[in-house]
Amino acid sequence: EDQVTQSPEALRLQEGESSSLNCSYTVSGLRGLFWYRQDPGKGPEFLFTLYSAGEEKEKERLKATLTKKESFLHITAPKPEDSATYLCAVQARGDYKLSFGAGTTVTVRA
Amino acid sequence: SQTIHQWPATLVQPVGSPLSLECTVEGTSNPNLYWYRQAAGRGLQLLFYSVGIGQISSEVPQNLSASRPQDRQFILSSKKLLLSDSGFYLCAWSDQGLPYNEQFFGPGTRLTVL
Repeated sequence: EDQVTQSPEALRLQEGESSSLNCSYTVSGLRGLFWYRQDPGKGPEFLFTLYSAGEEKEKERLKATLTKKESFLHITAPKPEDSATYLCAVQARGDYKLSFGAGTTVTVRA
Repeated sequence: SQTIHQWPATLVQPVGSPLSLECTVEGTSNPNLYWYRQAAGRGLQLLFYSVGIGQISSEVPQNLSASRPQDRQFILSSKKLLLSDSGFYLCAWSDQGLPYNEQFFGPGTRLTVL
């Protein structure tokens, strides 16, 4: 069974204080790893798809990287508007299903 | 561009009452459709997915059922709600024509069963 573990559960940052979120996964043949952002009371918003180890994707202050066992979401010089829960999910080859982690809740204080 | 709608946004129902949540997608044809439930502090749990009209796969046996009467409409139902059915219900779609299954979520329905 596919497993996704995200750490830490919560992260409190000062504005401008860069940090990283971790997503460790086990899957029988990775088809894709996905990052989402979720604001309170709203549906998840798609951020990135990573397909193979060594791949990197960037969007504004966010950068996602992938190895064979884990993915990192780096937040560079965060702003208060980056406060959200960040979700990681994996998809196995031949499967429609995404298996989600429990998320990391990031709070950025001005 | 594609848009996904869910309604109602919030719902408070008594135990034992029926349920019907609706999801529609605009701007795409023949999407894959999904129902998820999100409990507080936990990851998203896939409940049902559909690759076409009338084709429903269930991931978790439970008190709920799903139907897809039209290409871009997905309905989540229950005949009798349980307290444990409370949660945040999310509908999602993905493009069958893409090799990778990026899923795009709707705004969600907050269900409280009392």
